[in-house]
Amino acid sequence: DTGVSQDPRHKITKRGQNVTFRCDPISEHNRLYWYRQTLGQGPEFLTYFQNEAQLEKSRLLSDRFSAERPKGSFSTLEIQRTEQGDSAMYLCASSLARGNTEAFFGQGTRLTVV
Amino acid sequence: DQQVKQNSPSLSVQEGRISILNCDYTNSMFDYFLWYKKYPAEGPTFLISISSIKDKNEDGRFTVFLNKSAKHLSLHIVPSQPGDSAVYFCAAVKKSSGDKLTFGTGTRLAVRP
Repeated sequence: DTGVSQDPRHKITKRGQNVTFRCDPISEHNRLYWYRQTLGQGPEFLTYFQNEAQLEKSRLLSDRFSAERPKGSFSTLEIQRTEQGDSAMYLCASSLARGNTEAFFGQGTRLTVV
Repeated sequence: DQQVKQNSPSLSVQEGRISILNCDYTNSMFDYFLWYKKYPAEGPTFLISISSIKDKNEDGRFTVFLNKSAKHLSLHIVPSQPGDSAVYFCAAVKKSSGDKLTFGTGTRLAVRP
């Protein structure tokens, strides 16, 4: 399977705990994006990387959120001290930084904070 | 500020007929637009895109029309098939913003056999 893969698919955590999600992009893609989708809404941009550099962070990404992409390959998204409002689907996408190229999405990680 | 809007949350169409999904945007600086399809518990899947310098793009059963003066685009699916039943998202991109996607809220399409 050469698509974008995310792990885990589902995560249930207690409020206040830390969680970390992983995304493995399509291997030749140099851009990697994180989005968050809540019920009834479209995905909302959180942050993106070009290679290992994090180039933009949305104001949605509070201080409790941090993302990394060491070596420009896989990426992790960590949420510290989770809150119930963090419950959402976290989507990762990757693309090539050239022309009008579409982003390919993973299947997402559904986070439930109880 | 919702820059991309899909005002119809749902649409029901008979199999074999045309499905028309609509999308409006407010930012005239978008460079291209995309449609994604999403099944439950899966990530969005790319369907078709259109550059802001074009007014039509066709790929098989899917055609996207862009009306820049009205800041409106539409996705036509013909003929509609039951397997097309999903949520469809319109998205817009400004190349100067790292090609990040700005999504609408989606339209749920149900194709009745």
